[in-house]
Amino acid sequence: GIQVEQSPPDLILQEGANSTLRCNFSDSVNNLQWFHQNPWGQLINLFYIPSGTKQNGRLSATTVATERYSLLYISSSQTTDSGVYFCAVEPRYSGAGSYQLTFGKGTKLSVIP
Amino acid sequence: DTAVSQTPKYLVTQMGNDKSIKCEQNLGHDTMYWYKQDSKKFLKIMFSYNNKELIINETVPNRFSPKSPDKAHLNLHINSLELGDSAVYFCASSQDPSDNEQYFGPGTRLTVT
Repeated sequence: GIQVEQSPPDLILQEGANSTLRCNFSDSVNNLQWFHQNPWGQLINLFYIPSGTKQNGRLSATTVATERYSLLYISSSQTTDSGVYFCAVEPRYSGAGSYQLTFGKGTKLSVIP
Repeated sequence: DTAVSQTPKYLVTQMGNDKSIKCEQNLGHDTMYWYKQDSKKFLKIMFSYNNKELIINETVPNRFSPKSPDKAHLNLHINSLELGDSAVYFCASSQDPSDNEQYFGPGTRLTVT
């Protein structure tokens, strides 16, 4: 099946710093999503971005589908940004299971005051 | 007006018992999913279901079965619970396979003793 690798696995930032999280995937995709799992365990949708660039406040994401990677940018980080960031992809192949998401192992972000 | 809801939020039970987790979505979506998050935070698809087909991940034991009384609900039944079933279970939904942005419920933490 498709492989999803996220880097770095852990990241510690001083409040106010910027960061870039990376997601590499091994095959073509129909769908790519970024999620934030907060310390209470809730999975929050950040971006639905199979290709192109999107921005939402301090967060933005870019997916270069032809090169099989996506980047999540966090600017002016805040302590509330702490948690685990997951990249998840839906592989582009027909047949059973073609719309199920495969998750990466996540990047654990800790923002310290 | 929660989009995807799950009950219960926490479930503690003994080995060998049978239990159910309920999931409801009020988004009018056609496809629903169950994911399992293990103790290392790794998220993995268990089932996807719409009114046409049920797709089961091949690694899911047949003690697990999804039941859908209608399009807005996909409940998870687990028979003969084992210690290794302890995890957080997430329900999700999406419009349809061609618009597959998935929205997740708050999760159910299952502890088997």
